[in-house]
Amino acid sequence: NAGVTQTPKFQVLKTGQSMTLQCAQDMNHNSMYWYRQDPGMGLRLIYYSASEGTTDKGEVPNGYNVSRLNKREFSLRLESAAPSQTSVYFCASSEQGRRYEQYFGPGTRLTVT
Amino acid sequence: QQQVKQSPQSLIVQKGGISIINCAYENTAFDYFPWYQQFPGKGPALLIAIRPDVSEKKEGRFTISFNKSAKQFSLHIMDSQPGDSATYFCAASIKGYSTLTFGKGTMLLVSP
Repeated sequence: NAGVTQTPKFQVLKTGQSMTLQCAQDMNHNSMYWYRQDPGMGLRLIYYSASEGTTDKGEVPNGYNVSRLNKREFSLRLESAAPSQTSVYFCASSEQGRRYEQYFGPGTRLTVT
Repeated sequence: QQQVKQSPQSLIVQKGGISIINCAYENTAFDYFPWYQQFPGKGPALLIAIRPDVSEKKEGRFTISFNKSAKQFSLHIMDSQPGDSATYFCAASIKGYSTLTFGKGTMLLVSP
């Protein structure tokens, strides 16, 4: 099992450019999450999908959109990147009944210049 | 509004010492308290978790202590090793919700 995979690992964007971060899990988990991690700010939830077909806003959703493509895949889109979106982005998943145990991907380091 | 307050932000401990990280919460609806460990360049991973009806849980050198009346819980790392150097996050979850509320993290450095 690969667990949670994320692409790309690194990305540099110019202000105003758009991009999609991809995430896939092979553990048959129902719930998937997108976080951003910034120094001193911990892990902040951007969006989550409690189950296939549903998405909900987290703590910091502005400037982002998500798509739960199927049970395996959950993508995060930046429509018009801003320097404030420079961060490390993590995707995670969890199974129903063990919501306290989230499995994280390796992260995408995004720099917006 | 931060619902789980974690301290300290950073911690330096000598090899063989005890590392202690504390968390406090206000929301009494929280019903599960996990700790995550994150090594540089990696995603966080579940380390240990506790329910509020248990006062202590031990797994190897890692122990969670839980004080329900004070709404506080802490992670103790006994005989700390350089390989324990990582960022540690406490978290809390609410029954019926699939999200976790994370503390801001503690960067632990265990000096050789």
